[in-house]
Amino acid sequence: AQSVAQPEDQVNVAEGNPLTVKCTYSVSGNPYLFWYVQYPNRGLQFLLKYITGDNLVKGSYGFEAEFNKSQTSFHLKKPSALVSDSALYFCAVRDGGVTGGGNKLTFGTGTQLKVEL
Amino acid sequence: DGGITQSPKYLFRKEGQNVTLSCEQNLNHDAMYWYRQDPGQGLRLIYYSQIVNDFQKGDIAEGYSVSREKKESFPLTVTSAQKNPTAFYLCATDQRGLAGKGETQYFGPGTRLLVL
Repeated sequence: AQSVAQPEDQVNVAEGNPLTVKCTYSVSGNPYLFWYVQYPNRGLQFLLKYITGDNLVKGSYGFEAEFNKSQTSFHLKKPSALVSDSALYFCAVRDGGVTGGGNKLTFGTGTQLKVEL
Repeated sequence: DGGITQSPKYLFRKEGQNVTLSCEQNLNHDAMYWYRQDPGQGLRLIYYSQIVNDFQKGDIAEGYSVSREKKESFPLTVTSAQKNPTAFYLCATDQRGLAGKGETQYFGPGTRLLVL
């Protein structure tokens, strides 16, 4: 069965510093990986995804993520954090080895990012 | 949030009452999904529909029901059998193609359900 782990419930970083939000996954086939951001009492907003190709994926608002097959990881990064980046971040995966069953995404439990001045 | 609307924003349920959450989309997407979000648990799939007049149970379907009579609409009913309905409910859609695994799901703004 596919699964996603976000090992940190909260990440604190100073504004202007680089940030990393960690994600590891487990699938039987090829992974399709996604990052979403959620602001309080709002829906999830899509940031970026990895399907195939270049391991470094660039997305919205200056975020990027690096796919590492050997470590089964897909960490979210940003070179310089902003206070406005403070939000809840979710990693999600689909298992390319699973047929049928719709396009079911499995989500991690989320990481709260807090960027302070 | 784009072309996905959810209503109401807040909904209050009395004990023993069924309530219906609305989800409408104008993205012309085939597939629609309902998720439940609880603090610290991420998102859990309740029901999904890949085509009109067809839907499947997700991981936590007990106490919920859905219908898909139109492509644009996928309402979720929280029945009195759902004993712990307090949560944030999110509707999502995606355009399924033959290579559907890479499809991005897009989310509505959510409905917060509270029990009186």
